[in-house]
Amino acid sequence: DGGITQSPKYLFRKEGQNVTLSCEQNLNHDAMYWYRQDPGQGLRLIYYSQIVNDFQKGDIAEGYSVSREKKESFPLTVTSAQKNPTAFYLCASSHRARAGGPQETQYFGPGTRLLVL
Amino acid sequence: QQPVQSPQAVILREGEDAVINCSSSKALYSVHWYRQKHGEAPVFLMILLKGGEQKGHDKISASFNEKKQQSSLYLTASQLSYSGTYFCGTVHTSGNTPLVFGKGTRLSVIA
Repeated sequence: DGGITQSPKYLFRKEGQNVTLSCEQNLNHDAMYWYRQDPGQGLRLIYYSQIVNDFQKGDIAEGYSVSREKKESFPLTVTSAQKNPTAFYLCASSHRARAGGPQETQYFGPGTRLLVL
Repeated sequence: QQPVQSPQAVILREGEDAVINCSSSKALYSVHWYRQKHGEAPVFLMILLKGGEQKGHDKISASFNEKKQQSSLYLTASQLSYSGTYFCGTVHTSGNTPLVFGKGTRLSVIA
């Protein structure tokens, strides 16, 4: 079955610790995205990648880092610089838009809930 | 620029209708609608690409008014399964521009 997987489902972080959230897709999508969701705030873009070995900052990139070494994988690291990391993190992927065409549909993974101890 | 959704929340009885609006202060190229159940991933509903375009799926439909820079989602004869938070995601240009999502509209359908 094609889809997007995120792990773990729940993650606990201690003060000063870096943690990494996994996102894998087997949909053959070029583009991948990370969103943060807080109650009442909608989905806010952290980072996105349109192609392997390239990524761009979104609206709230401070305190986060990513890598895109493989097409299927786009891990997100929440660093100790992120002072308020408690949130629901969603990974998404899509095909790249055709030249002059619209943004393609984004498909979301099940999410990782990050809590601070 | 984050689109504005209204209302923020709505409670319906089964069988009632609802309209959710998504407005932007900037010209829109496309609008994407999603529904999210509590604790789950958002699920894609539909994309509207052109001004005046209307789409429908089952009893959920949407329209896109390019001039007014807004889109509306219509839920007809609501069912309990329609409960969730509805998000619009907007794009202002063609090409590989990530969606910008509104804050969502929480819809609760009660028996």
